[in-house]
Amino acid sequence: DAKTTQPPSMDCAEGRAANLPCNHSTISGNEYVYWYRQIHSQGPQYIIHGLKNNETNEMASLIITEDRKSSTLILPHATLRDTAVYYCIVRVANRDDKIIFGKGTRLHILP
Amino acid sequence: DTAVSQTPKYLVTQMGNDKSIKCEQNLGHDTMYWYKQDSKKFLKIMFSYNNKELIINETVPNRFSPKSPDKAHLNLHINSLELGDSAVYFCASSQETRSPLHFGNGTRLTVT
Repeated sequence: DAKTTQPPSMDCAEGRAANLPCNHSTISGNEYVYWYRQIHSQGPQYIIHGLKNNETNEMASLIITEDRKSSTLILPHATLRDTAVYYCIVRVANRDDKIIFGKGTRLHILP
Repeated sequence: DTAVSQTPKYLVTQMGNDKSIKCEQNLGHDTMYWYKQDSKKFLKIMFSYNNKELIINETVPNRFSPKSPDKAHLNLHINSLELGDSAVYFCASSQETRSPLHFGNGTRLTVT
């Protein structure tokens, strides 16, 4: 079972910031938070990951709360191409870890 | 250049047949995976291999047999196909255990 909880769907206007929440209240100290997205008919695509600190890359920003029980993925200027299912995953960094995808959040970017 | 490539993209076959899906990655990664995405869009891990060694084998029927001839390839052979095997199968790879997964674009298997 997935260790994360996400809203099933969200809408965001094109050009605005999309903020996708994720709860992971049972996260362990050695578990990282990863975000992937799956655009229709494609394989999942890695977005970003973090352990404690906030992270930013060319695609998005990841904000992790101080207690690490939740996080938010921020797409700063959403475009129509960002319409996808977004998955929040927690995983331990060892080779036996089963990377489990939950149901994700279906993000609709509205023109 | 495609980093993780799967063939075929579509596979339609009849119940009882045996089929294979091939996966190759040109990223030099040590670990490869097979995931199954069913009609409800749940993405579930099936297998993972690290340097040709089987690491994870989820509760998958033994009709499914992964084969890793070298660390750049992880093929999936399925015997005696059943209707319930219809799904999209994704291959993925990663460099180290902490590094992100790189997925192929999937093979849509339809069993009639």
